[in-house]
Amino acid sequence: GESVGLHLPTLSVQEGDNSIINCAYSNSASDYFIWYKQESGKGPQFIIDIRSNMDKRQGQRVTVLLNKTVKHLSLQIAATQPGDSAVYFCAENPYSNSGYALNFGKGTSLLVTP
Amino acid sequence: DGGITQSPKYLFRKEGQNVTLSCEQNLNHDAMYWYRQDPGQGLRLIYYSQIVNDFQKGDIAEGYSVSREKKESFPLTVTSAQKNPTAFYLCASSRGTGLTYGYTFGSGTRLTVV
Repeated sequence: GESVGLHLPTLSVQEGDNSIINCAYSNSASDYFIWYKQESGKGPQFIIDIRSNMDKRQGQRVTVLLNKTVKHLSLQIAATQPGDSAVYFCAENPYSNSGYALNFGKGTSLLVTP
Repeated sequence: DGGITQSPKYLFRKEGQNVTLSCEQNLNHDAMYWYRQDPGQGLRLIYYSQIVNDFQKGDIAEGYSVSREKKESFPLTVTSAQKNPTAFYLCASSRGTGLTYGYTFGSGTRLTVV
């Protein structure tokens, strides 16, 4: 979920388990959402995106679910691997037709243990 | 290979100095962005540019300045007016700022005030 203050929420999972990372967004007008993965000291990398006319989208080992009713986004990672350990950010485009930049959540730290 | 390059990777600034962070992309992207990331925090938008010779302030533009004289380049100057500049700075680019345009990020510049 989203953090308040200086400490990121942390999700700890065992290797091979499935992970679910949650994100609440604030703007009901947002129509495009992206999940990014950021490893320590690096820039964020695109994982998967979804438009507001969809409620589910699948990629390789990842699935994004969108619930517009409660303004909630989740990222599911199947068979989590040690290389999945990173900080995960959700991002929304609040006014995509007006040239606004993406808004990013504060991130969730995923720790995969052997 | 196309990409986005930030330099330097590490930068040290003395009190009262202005410093400029470089961001170059060869992706032929129209839009470019600067974000600031503090420990345990999400990404906060400093400035963005949709086209050459045009840019807009983000949420935390005070103490920063940018220019966009070339499509490929979007340098960020951290001025002495920025009272707390120590942070990780991320540059990104996208094909546009409209629907479904995700970002490609650089690898970041870590700025420290000494």
